[in-house]
Amino acid sequence: QITLKESGPTLVKPTQTLTLTCTFSGFSLSTSGVGVGWIRQPPGKALEWLALIYWDDDKRYSPSLKSRLTITKDTSKNQVVLTMTNMDPVDTATYYCAHRLDWAGSFDYWGQGTLVTVSS
Amino acid sequence: QSVLTQPPSASGTPGQRVTISCSGSSSNIGSNYVYWYQQLPGTAPKLLIYRNNQRPSGVPDRFSGSKSGTSASLAISGLRSEDEADYYCAAWDDSLSEVFGGGTKLTVL
Repeated sequence: QITLKESGPTLVKPTQTLTLTCTFSGFSLSTSGVGVGWIRQPPGKALEWLALIYWDDDKRYSPSLKSRLTITKDTSKNQVVLTMTNMDPVDTATYYCAHRLDWAGSFDYWGQGTLVTVSS
Repeated sequence: QSVLTQPPSASGTPGQRVTISCSGSSSNIGSNYVYWYQQLPGTAPKLLIYRNNQRPSGVPDRFSGSKSGTSASLAISGLRSEDEADYYCAAWDDSLSEVFGGGTKLTVL
């Protein structure tokens, strides 16, 4: 079965760079049509899409955050890494990674999420 | 401010049918598929509807989706207490980004 799990720091200081890793199983990011995305949710607020990477290394970013985000994949390790620079307290949120099939266009499997707090 | 507009709250009694609306524009809902997610308290979102009206395996047929023009709706029939959750619509936007609604908190009275 497909599972995903996010990992990374729970606390980062303002201006620091956040690096999150999504480790998955049950699928391969070298399979045609497969993608992994990142979505975040500030406490008590709505979901916000951040980035998406596909099997062919096609990458998409939220226009409002594009300058701060980088998404990469390591197919051999079954991992996707998201980096976000210049962290601010407003970036405090639960960060999710999720599996996506290009033909369906939806995030059909989600990780449990990891809460990242930005504070000095 | 979310790109897709949803009512912040909705409610119904057990057995009732409730609908949740999602309004967008020609660059997202008007030209792309709509998706719906259910988020139970303290858990990750779960896919309910994909490609406007398709249900993944395991999602009860009490849940249905529809789309017309730049708006979409999620209908829940035979409302149950376990349906109490936050519901989000989403769509791809022609700006090459995914957009979400602000979420609707459904209360089962």
